Amino acid sequence: EAQVTQNPRYLITVTGKKLTVTCSQNMNHEYMSWYRQDPGLGLRQIYYSMNVEVTDKGDVPEGYKVSRKEKRNFPLILESPSPNQTSLYFCASGRDGSYNEQFFGPGTRLTVL
Amino acid sequence: AQSVTQLGSHVSVSEGALVLLRCNYSSSVPPYLFWYVQYPNQGLQLLLKYTTGATLVKGINGFEAEFKKSETSFHLTKPSAHMSDAAEYFCAVLRSGNTGKLIFGQGTTLQVKP
Repeated sequence: EAQVTQNPRYLITVTGKKLTVTCSQNMNHEYMSWYRQDPGLGLRQIYYSMNVEVTDKGDVPEGYKVSRKEKRNFPLILESPSPNQTSLYFCASGRDGSYNEQFFGPGTRLTVL
Repeated sequence: AQSVTQLGSHVSVSEGALVLLRCNYSSSVPPYLFWYVQYPNQGLQLLLKYTTGATLVKGINGFEAEFKKSETSFHLTKPSAHMSDAAEYFCAVLRSGNTGKLIFGQGTTLQVKP
């Protein structure tokens, strides 16, 4: 089954404790990205990757890091989480960065205390 | 700059009634437009998209949307609402420049009453 998986689905952590949210896709997509969803703001892009070893900032990259060492994986790293990073995070992948459909993972709900 | 505005954060309809979710966009270039649906505790699923060609686009689950350039609108409709349509709906425009970035509206929660 074609899918985007994220882990963990739910996470409660404390300020300053480094964490990683994993994202993996099995569709051989070149394009991957991370969004955060906040009430009343819709989804905002954090980072994106056009291919392996190629990443770039989205609209709200502060406080986040990403890496793309393999085509299928695109982890999101929070080196020192803060309460304002409490949000619902979605990973997405697409064949490329064009108008082709992007597939979204199930989401990771992060709470930073 | 490109942007999307969804009119109405909450829409409530009766089962069997017409569903109309409004989306207006701003774009200086021909837009690629999308509607996504988010069911509770799930990721976003593509309902339909407009790229070029026919301005009336049909999607899954009986939804359709019409691209109206003169009105800069891309409203989503369904003739007869079903209880299973209750979800949050997002309109999005693909940012120009081939970055793959989707610019989303704020979302509209659709409630379907029996």
